[in-house]
Amino acid sequence: AQSVTQLDSHVSVSEGTPVLLRCNYSSSYSPSLFWYVQHPNKGLQLLLKYTSAATLVKGINGFEAEFKKSETSFHLTKPSAHMSDAAEYFCVVKAGGYNKLIFGAGTRLAVHP
Amino acid sequence: DAGVIQSPRHEVTEMGQEVTLRCKPISGHDYLFWYRQTMMRGLELLIYFNNNVPIDDSGMPEDRFSAKMPNASFSTLKIQPSEPRDSAVYFCASSLAGYNSPLHFGNGTRLTVT
Repeated sequence: AQSVTQLDSHVSVSEGTPVLLRCNYSSSYSPSLFWYVQHPNKGLQLLLKYTSAATLVKGINGFEAEFKKSETSFHLTKPSAHMSDAAEYFCVVKAGGYNKLIFGAGTRLAVHP
Repeated sequence: DAGVIQSPRHEVTEMGQEVTLRCKPISGHDYLFWYRQTMMRGLELLIYFNNNVPIDDSGMPEDRFSAKMPNASFSTLKIQPSEPRDSAVYFCASSLAGYNSPLHFGNGTRLTVT
């Protein structure tokens, strides 16, 4: 069975400091993994996706994630947080079922001046 | 590319009334999904379509909920009769076929049932 766990429900950082949002997954298949961001009153926007082509994936807005099979992790990072990064972030694993996604519970990122 | 378009953005209705939510997927996308988001339960998949055909509706809460996709460019989610516990944000999403194809989400409809 597939599952995804976001290890922190809330993360708070200062502007200009690094961001780390943690995600662990389990999958019986070679997984597809995604990170989405949701700003208030908006839909989910794709940040990046892992599709087995490269373990380090670069996304929009300076975010990147590294797929580590040995650790079953897909953590999201950004070197320097910006106020506009404050949002909720979802780690998502593609289940074996065609086009069915499993969403993590979300991590709310707060960025302080 | 206009993205996935949902209407209305906000809907306030009284218990017992019929509610219809609308979605226009991205042109050319093969799959359409309806999700519901609440604080308590997070994101829940209600139903999804492939080439206008419902594939899995196991997430639809009960018979009060129904969804249709009469053509490739339009889908509706109907609740009849509505209840206060249906209050949530409802998202429509679409995607291309392919294991690695991501979902593209609309901005959602915030439904409040009083």
